[in-house]
Amino acid sequence: GAVVSQHPSWVICKSGTSVKIECRSLDFQATTMFWYRQFPKQSLMLMATSNEGSKATYEQGVEKDKFLINHASLTLSTLTVTSAHPEDSSFYICSASGELGTNVLTFGAGSRLTVL
Amino acid sequence: DAKTTQPPSMDCAEGRAANLPCNHSTISGNEYVYWYRQIHSQGPQYIIHGLKNNETNEMASLIITEDRKSSTLILPHATLRDTAVYYCIVRVNTDKLIFGTGTRLQVFP
Repeated sequence: GAVVSQHPSWVICKSGTSVKIECRSLDFQATTMFWYRQFPKQSLMLMATSNEGSKATYEQGVEKDKFLINHASLTLSTLTVTSAHPEDSSFYICSASGELGTNVLTFGAGSRLTVL
Repeated sequence: DAKTTQPPSMDCAEGRAANLPCNHSTISGNEYVYWYRQIHSQGPQYIIHGLKNNETNEMASLIITEDRKSSTLILPHATLRDTAVYYCIVRVNTDKLIFGTGTRLQVFP
């Protein structure tokens, strides 16, 4: 079945630094990837949609200059949290679609970011 | 905004069937019903989806009412490992998934 890998699975950084999270589709080409974040005891909130070779589409209220998304290839999308602050601490999850014959979205295991 | 309504929590005894309801009274004709679950601190896991016919796979069964305004996810023999938050989502294929608050299912021994 389709596998989506996220790296790192957890990261701790200092306030003001930038952090990059990678999302890879391991056995299929993902034309579209979605980025979510989840705060404790809350549901997943969609942040943005990225399509390979074009600019990401951000959901209302999500700062595109704060959360940089790059979908450079059909198997890789990256989310960079720029100038991270403690309120950016969250669980970031990506999902990917594009596997032939299915419209099911496959999710990564998530990346937990803690900003000190 | 999420287009579904689910009870916030449910309990189920191990080995019994878990029936999780979902209301989606404003569903459009081209929207599918998807079910995902999220075990603590993991990414969501796909369970099943359907348009209007009932569906079954190795994980669960999906029963959709004839008017498509509600559905039920059935886990036929719940185990402790089925404890998770279950999300019912309506979606046009190829569109994004918008998560609601889901149902927290607790399976007890």
